[in-house]
Amino acid sequence: GESVGLHLPTLSVQEGDNSIINCAYSNSASDYFIWYKQESGKGPQFIIDIRSNMDKRQGQRVTVLLNKTVKHLSLQIAATQPGDSAVYFCAVPLNTGNQFYFGTGTSLTVIP
Amino acid sequence: DAGITQSPRHKVTETGTPVTLRCHQTENHRYMYWYRQDPGHGLRLIHYSYGVKDTDKGEVSDGYSVSRSKTEDFLLTLESATSSQTSVYFCAISLGNEQFFGPGTRLTVL
Repeated sequence: GESVGLHLPTLSVQEGDNSIINCAYSNSASDYFIWYKQESGKGPQFIIDIRSNMDKRQGQRVTVLLNKTVKHLSLQIAATQPGDSAVYFCAVPLNTGNQFYFGTGTSLTVIP
Repeated sequence: DAGITQSPRHKVTETGTPVTLRCHQTENHRYMYWYRQDPGHGLRLIHYSYGVKDTDKGEVSDGYSVSRSKTEDFLLTLESATSSQTSVYFCAISLGNEQFFGPGTRLTVL
């Protein structure tokens, strides 16, 4: 089955610094990856996605990097702000039923 | 938020009692999901539905049943709640390759 994991369960950064959150996956056939953000007391929200035919994708202050060789993806947040404090998950879809596997999450704390 | 609401948002119940959680969506999405979220586990799929009266089990379906008699409502039932079912429950819909989540229901089983 699919295995999705995150390297660091917690991460603290100073406001204004860049943040990097990592995720490893085991199924080399995975062709789509998603990052979610979950604020305290709320449901997960889509941040950014990337397809396996890409190495990098940029959004507003966020960049996702995909390294298919080592089956690793990362989420980079530029100029981290207090509003970025949340738990971040990566997710990969299964092949059937529109199902996803979710990583356990990394808790990001931004220190003012 | 893709028009997803969950009710109740919080519930405290006793072991052995039945509990039903409701997920309601307003945008006619075909796929709906129930997840539970626990520390150290991430989101785990309980059941999902791919249409009215079409449901299937997920990874952690034991102790749970679901029903979908209308497109807009997906009900999760704990026939006899146990303390191990204390969790936060999220409903989701899928739109293309993305899943959109409801606000969650915090269930405590004493």
